[in-house]
Amino acid sequence: QQPVQSPQAVILREGEDAVINCSSSKALYSVHWYRQKHGEAPVFLMILLKGGEQKGHEKISASFNEKKQQSSLYLTASQLSYSGTYFCGTETAAGNKLTFGGGTRVLVKP
Amino acid sequence: GAGVSQSPRYKVAKRGQDVALRCDPISGHVSLFWYQQALGQGPEFLTYFQNEAQLDKSGLPSDRFFAERPEGSVSTLKIQRTQQEDSAVYLCASSLRQGHQPQHFGDGTRLSIL
Repeated sequence: QQPVQSPQAVILREGEDAVINCSSSKALYSVHWYRQKHGEAPVFLMILLKGGEQKGHEKISASFNEKKQQSSLYLTASQLSYSGTYFCGTETAAGNKLTFGGGTRVLVKP
Repeated sequence: GAGVSQSPRYKVAKRGQDVALRCDPISGHVSLFWYQQALGQGPEFLTYFQNEAQLDKSGLPSDRFFAERPEGSVSTLKIQRTQQEDSAVYLCASSLRQGHQPQHFGDGTRLSIL
């Protein structure tokens, strides 16, 4: 079953913050986050393994709450380059296959 | 190569034709994945290889879809007797090792069936 992402879309001014959520009904082992720009490959941002750790990539960070089977991606002081569609991909303990959410479209305006 | 390479970048075929899509993973990457991405949606898993072994093909939509990776590097996804619903972007990804690793994606092949 596909993880649910929210919101579906968000519009930001440069410098503003945003949070994207990813929820699953399955027991997860890891959550991956990707950003995809139109017509391009999804680009890997970070992977979070169960344990609730938080990771960062530039001013983008994420957390994973394994009790809630939920991950959140934090866009801090957003830049124009952050525009794109963000996907979470979830893995069970069996691994080797990502199940992606429907995506969150982010538009950062000057 | 530096990244995952897919060819062709665009493919137009008539309904009923067979097509073959190629993926060159990052050199040395053991795991290779194929995904299908419909417009405005997230990628959907098709199949997974570890070296030359196809370990999971549970996402292939029908027996018209076939994938191979005979020497554990380049992979080909073949679709026989194409249908309009096969129109999508087909993404290939590779990862260094098995299990819970970052997957690195190619730009995909955009397939249009007329």
